[in-house]
Amino acid sequence: EVQLVESGGGLVQPGGSLRLSCAASGFIVSANYMAWVRQAPGKGLGWVSIIYPGGSTYYADSVKGRFTISRDNSKNTLYLQMNSLRGEDTAVYYCATLQSGSYFDNWGQGTLVTVSS
Amino acid sequence: DIQMTQSPPTLSASVGDRVTITCRASQSISSWLAWYQQKPGKAPKLLIYKASTLESGVPSRFSGSGSGTEFTLTISSLHPDDFATYYCQQHDSYWTFGQGTKVEIK
Repeated sequence: EVQLVESGGGLVQPGGSLRLSCAASGFIVSANYMAWVRQAPGKGLGWVSIIYPGGSTYYADSVKGRFTISRDNSKNTLYLQMNSLRGEDTAVYYCATLQSGSYFDNWGQGTLVTVSS
Repeated sequence: DIQMTQSPPTLSASVGDRVTITCRASQSISSWLAWYQQKPGKAPKLLIYKASTLESGVPSRFSGSGSGTEFTLTISSLHPDDFATYYCQQHDSYWTFGQGTKVEIK
């Protein structure tokens, strides 16, 4: 059974950093397309970052240059390093698998990131 | 960037009603469209991909249709468990979600 468990969210001041983790089980992270998707309070969904099995990475314009997606094959875990955080980054961040690089078929439960002073 | 526009934003319906949600793309996306259901405090759940293919385990009362720029999600007979927010998502060029349609109890 595929399972995704996010952690690392919390309250951080503007300009601060946070690293989110997504521990996966039931499949191999490095062999799959993986994604971070976020949802601001009361708002819709938006993709944040994608990593392909081959290692190619993609970022939404709003986070480019500030966020970095990565994976640790030995831990079967996906990460999102978030730097220079802004208030508009406040959201629930979901880890998800991206079937064939197209649609999001498995989701974690999400972790809340709040950027506020 | 491809923009996705859903209508209506909110839909009031009763158990047993037939419900249709529309999603329009700003340019042709062929059939590269998925639909999701999200309940409050929960992660989204994939319902349909490639515009009309039902994800395994999803009830057959859900169906999707369309191609190019106009797509629909239909619930043939609304169940109590179906009151939720529904999102479309294109995967023709990068990934873009619609703004959501909330299906609420009438």
